[in-house]
Formats: sequence, C-alpha cells, structure tokens
Amino acid sequence: EPEVTQTPSHQVTQMGQEVILRCVPISNHLYFYWYRQILGQKVEFLVSFYNNEISEKSEIFDDQFSVERPDGSNFTLKIRSTKLEDSAMYFCATYRGNIQYFGAGTRLSVL
Amino acid sequence: DQQVKQNSPSLSVQEGRISILNCDYTNSMFDYFLWYKKYPAEGPTFLISISSIKDKNEDGRFTVFLNKSAKHLSLHIVPSQPGDSAVYFCAASGLQGAQKLVFGQGTRLTINP
Repeated sequence: EPEVTQTPSHQVTQMGQEVILRCVPISNHLYFYWYRQILGQKVEFLVSFYNNEISEKSEIFDDQFSVERPDGSNFTLKIRSTKLEDSAMYFCATYRGNIQYFGAGTRLSVL
Repeated sequence: DQQVKQNSPSLSVQEGRISILNCDYTNSMFDYFLWYKKYPAEGPTFLISISSIKDKNEDGRFTVFLNKSAKHLSLHIVPSQPGDSAVYFCAASGLQGAQKLVFGQGTRLTINP
C-alpha cells in the first residue's frame, strides 16, 4: 500500500484557471513535500510542510502556489492561475524513517 | 545550480551482468543520499539509501557506495534483471533525509535479455 495517495491522477485545465491537487497519507505524518517533474526534466522540489507550516520553498513556489492541510489529513497544493508552463507531473511525498515516499503523482495539463 | 549530477543519461547492460550507475554532488552539507527508480507516469519508488557516516549499504541485489572525499556515489545492481529497466534517480538531502531532496537528471537503465 502506498504511503500517500494522490488525486486526481490527471487534471486538464484551461490557462488562468485554479487547480487543487490532493494528497492523502495512510497514517499521521508531520512532514509533507511537493515536487514536480516537467516532461523530460528532473524532479524539482517545490515546498516542504512541517507541523502545519511551510518549512522551505523553492523559487518556483511563487505567489501563485499555496499549500494547506484543510482537515488535518488531506494535504493540498493550489495553483491560483495556471500557466502553460505549469504543465507537469506533481508529486506529493511524506517522510518516515529517513526516507521520503512519493505518491503516484498528478499529471497536470494546462491548455 | 546542478548540485547533484548524473552524467550518463542512459546505460544498457546484459541480463545477469552488473549495472553501475553513478552520481556526483557538490554540496558538502548533504548528509543523506538516496536512489529512486521511476517508471513513466509513476512516482519515484525508493530503492536504497546511505547516510554520510557510512561508505556502503547493501540490500539484496542493490548496493550503494559513497565516496565523500570525491563527492561521488554509485549504485550497483547484481545480477541485473529485465525488471530493473527504468529510470534511476540519485537524490541528496540534509537533516537525515528530512530536508528537500535534490535530484540528479536520471539515468535510463535498459537490461537486455
């Protein structure tokens, strides 16, 4: 059973629209991370979230992005106004025993 | 800012032989290193890791070697099997893996029957 489940598996949206990507861990975790991988490129860090606060964010994670734990279990990544270049695979990860475990990802396609 | 580099974009190995994947890093603050295996349209799957206080870690067919003075690590797969064909990413982190992972570009490993 995966450590985290991500929904949806594929999201298609129009440029300028808001999207929310969801991540659900199988047990209580304190650390969460979002990464993305643009097609053909390496996996890039976006943001880390510890104890309900952002602990670190990359230059990619600008004002268009936000994260939250709306109900104490789900962990969401919101992109307020999507751009074409936001098209990528987005991965959620959690931390246990020195290891970050990744979900299967959400493919975001911005048209 | 390529703090973690995998210089070989692809590697082809005969089934049963040893596969050796290499990774170099520049940041001395990294204290934890991991290898992930990835298939298209799936998330990275953890394979094996090593702390900076060790120079070798073994798990079944997989062994990771760390050379801190050279800032180099390698993943050995022996014997290689067709199911090992995938993209392999090296990643580095601080705070024993809790900080952000910095990934290499990946090496596509193909195991030929």
